[in-house]
Amino acid sequence: SQQGEEDPQALSIQEGENATMNCSYKTSINNLQWYRQNSGRGLVHLILIRSNEREKHSGRLRVTLDTSKKSSSLLITASRAADTASYFCATDNNNDMRFGAGTRLTVKP
Amino acid sequence: DTEVTQTPKHLVMGMTNKKSLKCEQHMGHRAMYWYKQKAKKPPELMFVYSYEKLSINESVPSRFSPECPNSSLLNLHLHALQPEDSALYLCASSQDFDGETQYFGPGTRLLVL
Repeated sequence: SQQGEEDPQALSIQEGENATMNCSYKTSINNLQWYRQNSGRGLVHLILIRSNEREKHSGRLRVTLDTSKKSSSLLITASRAADTASYFCATDNNNDMRFGAGTRLTVKP
Repeated sequence: DTEVTQTPKHLVMGMTNKKSLKCEQHMGHRAMYWYKQKAKKPPELMFVYSYEKLSINESVPSRFSPECPNSSLLNLHLHALQPEDSALYLCASSQDFDGETQYFGPGTRLLVL
């Protein structure tokens, strides 16, 4: 079953703009991860943030975690057409990993 | 080698057929996973193997039968499937069964006629 809810469900932006995706969850977690999936392909791990961390960066990615609000956000800066994909958050609670519904990001050249 | 491979890439089968999906990793990972993903939906966990033992079976119908012959291989045996079982089947592995990063294969797209 699904744990996280993501919004927006779909996001369309121009190349060069920033993209922000949000994830909310219901139970306590050990960590939260973000994955990317190109159409019909496997998922690629982007970043993992632990429950005692508030912010993490990796290249053009910035992830925040607010455990009091049970929410996380993924920011992609200076987006490129190649960033077009679906983005999923996944929460881990004692080895029970659940994926959110995902955000479909389209970056127009 | 940081790759998880899956074969076949595509599979079409009838409801009376028996087929198998295969997954392989050579990263020394001790946990392996099967997920099912329908179009425009997130992956749903089916099975988890940890140290070659079945750790989680998410109430999957018996027409799906997992097998872990060794620490590098994971199979999913399919028998008497239904059209609604058509989906992308993803295999993943992780260092241990500890909620850390999972590495996914490209998936097998299954169509049941």
